[in-house]
Amino acid sequence: DVKVTQSSRYLVKRTGEKVFLECVQDMDHENMFWYRQDPGLGLRLIYFSYDVKMKEKGDIPEGYSVSREKKERFSLILESASTNQTSMYLCASSLTPEVTGELFFGEGSRLTVL
Amino acid sequence: GQNIDQPTEMTATEGAIVQINCTYQTSGFNGLFWYQQHAGEAPTFLSYNVLDGLEEKGRFSSFLSRSKGYSYLLLKELQMKDSASYLCAVRDSNYQLIWGAGTKLIIKP
Repeated sequence: DVKVTQSSRYLVKRTGEKVFLECVQDMDHENMFWYRQDPGLGLRLIYFSYDVKMKEKGDIPEGYSVSREKKERFSLILESASTNQTSMYLCASSLTPEVTGELFFGEGSRLTVL
Repeated sequence: GQNIDQPTEMTATEGAIVQINCTYQTSGFNGLFWYQQHAGEAPTFLSYNVLDGLEEKGRFSSFLSRSKGYSYLLLKELQMKDSASYLCAVRDSNYQLIWGAGTKLIIKP
């Protein structure tokens, strides 16, 4: 059974703190993604990666960075958390788009920044 | 700009049929996806359409008309467990996914 695991389901942080969200997939997928999900909005892509040590900016990369040192692990970093980064963060992985490219999502990490 | 439209919320009765529409305007087209998301859970893949027509998968079917920029998800024999949000997403010419805001489906007994 395919699995994408996110390190924390719920986090509460203070403004200015550094936040790490980790994601691990066991499907040997090349592609990994970080989205945020907010009420009334579609999923918004923060960063994605098509290979180890490779990263590409998505639609809303400001205030975020990522790291992909190993194929199975993709981390999202908030260098200095702000209240407008309170959101649900979803990690996903996929095979190459030419093979349907359906996304497999983790359970999500709900971050609250006070 | 790129845009995906779907109704915010729909209500249907257990055992009935419901159709959730999705219209899109994107830069190119490389497939349309439907995902189901139960409250507090991860989205899960339901269907993928890249050619015009109807794709049937058990109680769920998905239709695509590329010329009209239109898709629908048809759910038959509704069950209480079908209460969820349904997300429509289109893959554009750069193979990037553009997401709708989702349709919350409420099933009543």
